Amino acid sequence: GESVGLHLPTLSVQEGDNSIINCAYSNSASDYFIWYKQESGKGPQFIIDIRSNMDKRQGQRVTVLLNKTVKHLSLQIAATQPGDSAVYFCAEFLPFNDYKLSFGAGTTVTVRA
Amino acid sequence: DGGITQSPKYLFRKEGQNVTLSCEQNLNHDAMYWYRQDPGQGLRLIYYSQIVNDFQKGDIAEGYSVSREKKESFPLTVTSAQKNPTAFYLCATRQGSGNQPQHFGDGTRLSIL
Repeated sequence: GESVGLHLPTLSVQEGDNSIINCAYSNSASDYFIWYKQESGKGPQFIIDIRSNMDKRQGQRVTVLLNKTVKHLSLQIAATQPGDSAVYFCAEFLPFNDYKLSFGAGTTVTVRA
Repeated sequence: DGGITQSPKYLFRKEGQNVTLSCEQNLNHDAMYWYRQDPGQGLRLIYYSQIVNDFQKGDIAEGYSVSREKKESFPLTVTSAQKNPTAFYLCATRQGSGNQPQHFGDGTRLSIL
């Protein structure tokens, strides 16, 4: 079964607002996490990653936060734009299982104009 | 991802027929993966290969077969034993070992005639 899950299957955001997408994981030994964005009919696109020795990592308009105490990570998108409408997946790296990725079911983000 | 080419983009299978999905990469990545994605769900691992001439079953390998004769190619065959093949199939690659992200192609959508 999946060890990574997302709290909400859908998220509707007003253009210009900030978006927060949450994800919980269950394997304490996991040490690497990735956020992907998937647009309709396309493959997942790498957004940002974070290693377990970090609590926060920032990219362009995106920030990932990792809370190892409660096994939770989140993706924050600043000033959400229509092009941010997509499905967002978190993925957990399984170093004890051939370095495979375990994916959550995804959160569909819809940006309202 | 421009370095990973999946073909065809759409594929139709008749009952009792085997079909082969192509995945080619020019990234010189060692590891390659095949995932299946059903509507509203995350990605499930079918097969993966970490080096040429070697591959392992993922979580849902039944009804599928693969080969890895060349580093740049990892074709997936959906056999007639796979009774529910309709899905979006994604190929991914990863450089080296350890904490590196997987990068995805743009998928093949397989349907039953």
